[in-house]
Amino acid sequence: AQKITQTQPGMFVQEKEAVTLDCTYDTSDPSYGLFWYKQPSSGEMIFLIYQGSYDQQNATEGRYSLNFQKARKSANLVISASQLGDSAMYFCAMREWNQGGKLIFGQGTELSVKP
Amino acid sequence: SQTIHQWPATLVQPVGSPLSLECTVEGTSNPNLYWYRQAAGRGLQLLFYSVGIGQISSEVPQNLSASRPQDRQFILSSKKLLLSDSGFYLCAWSAGTSRYEQYFGPGTRLTVT
Repeated sequence: AQKITQTQPGMFVQEKEAVTLDCTYDTSDPSYGLFWYKQPSSGEMIFLIYQGSYDQQNATEGRYSLNFQKARKSANLVISASQLGDSAMYFCAMREWNQGGKLIFGQGTELSVKP
Repeated sequence: SQTIHQWPATLVQPVGSPLSLECTVEGTSNPNLYWYRQAAGRGLQLLFYSVGIGQISSEVPQNLSASRPQDRQFILSSKKLLLSDSGFYLCAWSAGTSRYEQYFGPGTRLTVT
């Protein structure tokens, strides 16, 4: 079974609008971490935001926020006020505590920001 | 601050030739190190990870191997490349903290012809 599922292969958003990228996960480990990465066309993977399974509040980093719904096992990324530079692939990833530092990645969502 | 380097940036190799990709990290000690492969338009597949010198764990059985001869050096090798080895290879490091977020190098784009 897929541990990380990103159901949106591609998304479009108008510049300055907000966009939500979906991510659901599957784990039986009560302790885990969730991550979002951005991969522009250059190929580098850029760490955006982290949410721990025991964190009470949703993580935020500037224009990025993570909508963490533990019971539904979802960890959606919200980008506010989209910019043209936000056009990229976005990957959701999970680390299970009993797996040490290993990350499991989803298949990614390609976001295109329209001017 | 920490930086991670990978080289070469691009590589075109014939089938059956050997491979050596190098990754080095600066500005931290005893990092966890990782090798990933990304096929075109796909997610990342973890190939190897290392928690210390000489300690390598393999995630996917294949004709690739990894070595960690020094604390901040991670090498990905193959004796004979296959066409299916083509892809984008990314090295990453993480600190031994509770978060374990990984920071990636610029990657090596390998084409096997």
